[in-house]
Amino acid sequence: EAGVVQSPRYKIIEKKQPVAFWCNPISGHNTLYWYLQNLGQGPELLIRYENEEAVDDSQLPKDRFSAERLKGVDSTLKIQPAELGDSAVYLCASSSLAAGTQYFGPGTRLTVL
Amino acid sequence: AQKVTQAQTEISVVEKEDVTLDCVYETRDTTYYLFWYKQPPSGELVFLIRRNSFDEQNEISGRYSWNFQKSTSSFNFTITASQVVDSAVYFCALSEALGRGSTLGRLYFGRGTQLTVWP
Repeated sequence: EAGVVQSPRYKIIEKKQPVAFWCNPISGHNTLYWYLQNLGQGPELLIRYENEEAVDDSQLPKDRFSAERLKGVDSTLKIQPAELGDSAVYLCASSSLAAGTQYFGPGTRLTVL
Repeated sequence: AQKVTQAQTEISVVEKEDVTLDCVYETRDTTYYLFWYKQPPSGELVFLIRRNSFDEQNEISGRYSWNFQKSTSSFNFTITASQVVDSAVYFCALSEALGRGSTLGRLYFGRGTQLTVWP
């Protein structure tokens, strides 16, 4: 069974540029999460989807960050415009009732210059 | 509020030594879940174990064992006879229970413990 897929794995952009990350969850997992991991820290939730509905986005900086999961499967996280402080690893995870835990993708490492 | 504390930032051991990673958590919920994840240098978080708050039975899986004590709000992880391949960052995490029929809420992670096992 394929795991959580994320792309790109690495992205380098200049500040003020837009950037987008894509995530495809494990087949059958209705819950999808985006986490942000700063260097030397544990991941922190940005947004959680149940199917296509964002049910927990309280930690998402909505002035510059947006996310969508239109068909309840794959998801896109966007930053516009990017700032230097956005340099981090963006992790996607998925789960289901049957799975009982969150499975993580390899992450996208963003560097903002 | 949910909080996980991993006081050990870095631990170094020599191969074959036993090592225990500490995890202390805070929550007001009576039903919750505790997790351990491993993050090797490749960066992907690998699930190791999940325990629910009603099950304090210790668990052993090969060289890994976990000690859950509600009285001290701790969920410690022990690796017996450590190996070089165990070198990674280990995260303890806590999740609220969202109720029947719901999947997991957000995970609250500790800051992680960097384990280095020397040959």
